[in-house]
Amino acid sequence: GAGVSQSPSNKVTEKGKDVELRCDPISGHTALYWYRQSLGQGLEFLIYFQGNSAPDKSGLPSDRFSAERTGGSVSTLTIQRTQQEDSAVYLCASSSDGHSNQPQHFGDGTRLSIL
Amino acid sequence: DQQVKQNSPSLSVQEGRISILNCDYTNSMFDYFLWYKKYPAEGPTFLISISSIKDKNEDGRFTVFLNKSAKHLSLHIVPSQPGDSAVYFCAASGLPSNSGYSTLTFGKGTMLLVSP
Repeated sequence: GAGVSQSPSNKVTEKGKDVELRCDPISGHTALYWYRQSLGQGLEFLIYFQGNSAPDKSGLPSDRFSAERTGGSVSTLTIQRTQQEDSAVYLCASSSDGHSNQPQHFGDGTRLSIL
Repeated sequence: DQQVKQNSPSLSVQEGRISILNCDYTNSMFDYFLWYKKYPAEGPTFLISISSIKDKNEDGRFTVFLNKSAKHLSLHIVPSQPGDSAVYFCAASGLPSNSGYSTLTFGKGTMLLVSP
């Protein structure tokens, strides 16, 4: 389809392992965002990409979290040495140019469970 | 400190009636507001938006009202349909980040249940 695609849809892993989440944005969208939604909470902003650069990493909760985007398209969010509090739904969104009046289009998320 | 607040975690409405979802914000720098709708196991879907220079925006059954002086916005759905049952998130933008671009700040959502 033409929407934002995320993989895997579900991930269960043991505490201490590293995980990698993938986002494929809408073709031609230069802006890409990562959010997470913990149980009973709203969407928490993690990081924003404009093209391949990440001008805003202010939402990353710790240095165990990192993200990259290559070719101005696919992005990966990596969580090292996972902890139980990392359990959440991780959502990716893209928009055409990143300006505030452009709606963000979301993928269906990756549900991450840390045992 | 929550900058966007949706104080009602849930709302139940009968089919055909009006649904009113409320949202309050604290920062007067927000200048663009959006509503998203989310079904279980799916990502949020953009529904309707409003710029701070307007006080009303209408799209079919959905109308968003903005009261800047009260820092309050609401989403009206009329008539409500069972397929409208979902979680509705209010979001605001306009606060420039370090990059100069704005990001969205979301409320915690209101679960709407429309019964037949």
